[in-house]
Amino acid sequence: GESVGLHLPTLSVQEGDNSIINCAYSNSASDYFIWYKQESGKGPQFIIDIRSNMDKRQGQRVTVLLNKTVKHLSLQIAATQPGDSAVYFCAAVNTDKLIFGTGTRLQVFP
Amino acid sequence: ETGVTQSPTHLIKTRGQQVTLRCSSQSGHNTVSWYQQALGQGPQFIFQYYREEENGRGNFPPRFSGLQFPNYSSELNVNALELDDSALYLCASSQTGFVEQFFGPGTRLTVL
Repeated sequence: GESVGLHLPTLSVQEGDNSIINCAYSNSASDYFIWYKQESGKGPQFIIDIRSNMDKRQGQRVTVLLNKTVKHLSLQIAATQPGDSAVYFCAAVNTDKLIFGTGTRLQVFP
Repeated sequence: ETGVTQSPTHLIKTRGQQVTLRCSSQSGHNTVSWYQQALGQGPQFIFQYYREEENGRGNFPPRFSGLQFPNYSSELNVNALELDDSALYLCASSQTGFVEQFFGPGTRLTVL
């Protein structure tokens, strides 16, 4: 079946550094991708999305890059802050289904 | 503008019982999706409702069923509970499909 996977279960970065979280997906028919942030005890929170006809999209301090050739997307967080500590999920949409990855825990240390 | 709310917050059931979880969508949203999140895992898509009709379903057995009401609130029903049904059940609402979904805090279901 189709899958979405994140490359690293845990990522530790120093406050102020840039963070990059990577994700791979298996279904080339996926046409919409979303990054979510989930803090402990809360539901996932939308961060940024990108459609398959784009290769880059920027938000406030975040950038998503999509490489359809290798079925890979990444989330870049600039100037990482302690408040960015959470689990990050990528998710891929194929027609009427949304498939989440397993998540990467981002730890920010001073 | 109110966000997505879910009830109850926590629930304990025994194997074989039935459970109903409830979700109120964000104001102005007509689409509700349900997810199951096991501990340490990503959410798994159960199904989506749009204007009271099921609009997509993940790989869950028929004992997982749902409803959406005219005010766009929704219920998730699970029959014949199994131990593996223990999880956080998340509801999310949106104006269109999966675009900019807003999630509720979830209902923690424990099956003993």
